[in-house]
Amino acid sequence: QVQLQESGPGLVKPSETLSLTCTVSGGSIRLYYWTWIRQPPGKGLEWIGYIFYSGDTNYNPSLKSRVTMSVDMSKNQFSLKLSSVTAADTAVYYCARAASAAAAWDYWGQGTLVTVSS
Amino acid sequence: EIVLTQSPATLSVSPGERATLSCRASQSVTSNLAWYQHKPGQAPRLLIYGASTRATGFPATFSGSGSGTEFTLTISSLQSEDFAVYFCQQYNNWPVTFGGGTKVEI
Repeated sequence: QVQLQESGPGLVKPSETLSLTCTVSGGSIRLYYWTWIRQPPGKGLEWIGYIFYSGDTNYNPSLKSRVTMSVDMSKNQFSLKLSSVTAADTAVYYCARAASAAAAWDYWGQGTLVTVSS
Repeated sequence: EIVLTQSPATLSVSPGERATLSCRASQSVTSNLAWYQHKPGQAPRLLIYGASTRATGFPATFSGSGSGTEFTLTISSLQSEDFAVYFCQQYNNWPVTFGGGTKVEI
């Protein structure tokens, strides 16, 4: 059974960089697309972007200038960095998997709350 | 970007009853629409993909239909474990977008 687990600081200061890691267990990171999605409190879900195991990326234009994703196949992990954060970036962040770029996300992590505050 | 509008926001039903949830797209997404079930504190679960294909682990009481801009998720007989938030997602156009969700409550 594939499982995804997000990890990282729960509190980030404004203007700093949010960094999260998603660890994949029960399956290989190879051949899949790995995505980040977030949900601000009381709001809907927002797709942040995806990274293919080869390193190809596709980011949401609304966040593209601040987002960097990477993959570490040796650790079966992929990561998200979001720079210059503000309170508007406070959200539950989810990682998920898809079999292709244009496909539904078949496995998700349970999410991690990141709060941006001084 | 494509806007997905789900209705109703909250659906109050009794166990054993039928629930019908709607997801409307601002432009055609063909059949590239998924439904997810989300319970508090848990990972969202893929329920339906390709508008009507049920994902592994869900019983036949769940069914999806529609194409283009109008989609429906039907739960034919609600069980206690089915009370959750259901949200739709389109993956036909970038960026991928989501509906606001329907909370199915007792």
